[in-house]
Amino acid sequence: QVRLQESGPGLVKPSQSLSLTCAVSDYSITSDHYWGWVRQPPGKGLEWIGSIYHSGSSYYNPSLKSRVTISVDTSKSQFSLRLSSVTAADTAVYYCARLRPTRLFDDWGQGTLVTVSS
Amino acid sequence: DIQMTQSPSILSASVGDRVTITCRASQSISSWLAWYQHKPGKAPKLLISKASSLESGVPSRFSGSGSGAEFTLTISSLQPDDFATYYCQQYKSPPWTFGQGTKVEIK
Repeated sequence: QVRLQESGPGLVKPSQSLSLTCAVSDYSITSDHYWGWVRQPPGKGLEWIGSIYHSGSSYYNPSLKSRVTISVDTSKSQFSLRLSSVTAADTAVYYCARLRPTRLFDDWGQGTLVTVSS
Repeated sequence: DIQMTQSPSILSASVGDRVTITCRASQSISSWLAWYQHKPGKAPKLLISKASSLESGVPSRFSGSGSGAEFTLTISSLQPDDFATYYCQQYKSPPWTFGQGTKVEIK
């Protein structure tokens, strides 16, 4: 059973960058899975942000692509999210997740709330 | 992008009720549909994949059906642990998109 744990600052100032890390344990990050990020703004639904393979191959939601970078560090068994130029609209609970080869999300972290505010 | 629309947004039901949630896609997604259960403060949980395949460990009172653009999630006899928000997700083509959610609350 894979374990996923998000970490990072809970408060980010507008126009700055949001950075989160997802630690993967009890499972090999180099297995045949993509790893991804999903967010949920308060009172709203789920939004896929982007996904990455252990090789570094990544793809993003076009709605966020210009501001998103997802990277992977296989030596530390973790992957990371960077979202630049944040605004209050980026306030959300951010989840990391494992994707099956078919691209559905079969395991999730507990999520971490990031608030964008001055 | 493929838009996913769930109905209803809120469903009030009692323990023992049979409940049905509908998910419609803006275009055909074949059977590339998943259902998730989400409780506050918890990780979302995958219930059903490929529209009707029950995940291991998920109670048999949950079932999924449909193909093309219309899908349903049915809980045959609602249990106290089932009060949660349910989301559908298409994984036919990126960007992967979710329905807006259906909150199942106690009547």
